[in-house]
Amino acid sequence: DTAVSQTPKYLVTQMGNDKSIKCEQNLGHDTMYWYKQDSKKFLKIMFSYNNKELIINETVPNRFSPKSPDKAHLNLHINSLELGDSAVYFCASSQGTLTNTGELFFGEGSRLTVL
Amino acid sequence: DAKTTQPNSMESNEEEPVHLPCNHSTISGTDYIHWYRQLPSQGPEYVIHGLTSNVNNRMASLAIAEDRKSSTLILHRATLRDAAVYYCILRDWRYGNKLVFGAGTILRVKS
Repeated sequence: DTAVSQTPKYLVTQMGNDKSIKCEQNLGHDTMYWYKQDSKKFLKIMFSYNNKELIINETVPNRFSPKSPDKAHLNLHINSLELGDSAVYFCASSQGTLTNTGELFFGEGSRLTVL
Repeated sequence: DAKTTQPNSMESNEEEPVHLPCNHSTISGTDYIHWYRQLPSQGPEYVIHGLTSNVNNRMASLAIAEDRKSSTLILHRATLRDAAVYYCILRDWRYGNKLVFGAGTILRVKS
C-alpha cells in the first residue's frame, strides 16, 4: 500500500493548457508539501499545508494553485502551462513539524512535459 | 538558509563502508542536519538527521563534528542499491518544515 501516491505519473500537454496533479497520503500525517525538481535536478519547495491551511508559499507564479480538500489530500492545479513548467513534481508529507521526526515521506513524482 | 557543500560525486566498492562528507561552516545553533537520498527515478527518501550528537539508525550513521561545521554520513556496507544522490540539508527549527535541497553527491557503487 503506497504511503504517498501521486497521479498521474506522466503528463504530456500543450502550452496554455490547464492541468492538475493529485496527491494522497495514507499515513495519517497532517502536513503535506509540493516540491518541483527541474532539469538540473534541483529540488525546490513550492507549498506546504498543515491541516488544510497554507503554511509555506514560496515564490511560485500564481498560475500554480494548491488545494487541500482534507488533510490526506493536496492537489496541484496549474493554469496556462508554460514550457518552463516542465519538471518532475513531488508530493510529500510529514507528521507535524520536522522537529519531531525530521522525516518527509515523498511520492514517486509526476513528470510534466509541456510541448 | 545556511549552505552546505558536498562533493559532486563519489565512488565506492560494494560491501565496503562509504563516508559521505558535508561542510556547513555557517551552521547556526538552531540548525538540524538532515540527510536524504534519491534513487534513480524515485522520490527522495529520508536517511537520518541530528543536531549535535552522533546518530545511528538501520540505514546509516551520522557523525557530527564537535564544532558542528561538518558532518559525515556513513554507510557501513555499500550495496548496489545504495547508488543514489545524497543530500545534506540544514534545517532551522524556527522555520518549521522547510527543507532546502542542494545539488547533493552522486554516489556510484561498483560491484
